[in-house]
Amino acid sequence: DAKTTQPTSMDCAEGRAANLPCNHSTISGNEYVYWYRQIHSQGPQYIIHGLKNNETNEMASLIITEDRKSSTLILPHATLRDTAVYYCIVRVEETNRDDKIIFGKGTRLHILP
Amino acid sequence: ETGVTQSPTHLIKTRGQQVTLRCSSQSGHNTVSWYQQALGQGPQFIFQYYREEENGRGNFPPRFSGLQFPNYSSELNVNALELDDSALYLCASSIHTGGNEKLFFGSGTQLSVL
Repeated sequence: DAKTTQPTSMDCAEGRAANLPCNHSTISGNEYVYWYRQIHSQGPQYIIHGLKNNETNEMASLIITEDRKSSTLILPHATLRDTAVYYCIVRVEETNRDDKIIFGKGTRLHILP
Repeated sequence: ETGVTQSPTHLIKTRGQQVTLRCSSQSGHNTVSWYQQALGQGPQFIFQYYREEENGRGNFPPRFSGLQFPNYSSELNVNALELDDSALYLCASSIHTGGNEKLFFGSGTQLSVL
């Protein structure tokens, strides 16, 4: 079962920042937070991941709370192409063990023109 | 584009038949994972293959089986098809490094069982 809780859907105006929350209150110290998104009729696409520090790449920023029980994915300037289902996932990464990536139902993000 | 290709893109079968789905990994990737995605749901993990051996399996019956070949391409086989097997089947390739493993997905095969 997925170890995360996300809102079912969200709306965001085009050009504004989209902030997608995720709760992972049972996260363990060695579990990373991953985000993927799935645009209609395509396979999921990796966005970003982190352990405890905030992370930023060309697609998004990931803010993880100090207690690591929740995180927020930020799309700084949302465009219509960002309309997709966004999945928050926690998984272990260790040298001799990788948890398989288990998807929940995700958040359906609608970018409004 | 992820470099992961799946074939066929669409397939229609009848209940009781068998089906084989194919996946070509991204160059340099040694691990393949298969997922089933029913309409409106998130992808469900079926199994993963690493260096031609099964490396983890989700809650799917034995009639779901797979293969990985020396070139790291893969097949998913489903026997005795049931109506509930109708779904999008996704293949993802990755490099098994023991950390920071990102999945690269194909666009999937849409299977309809009538």
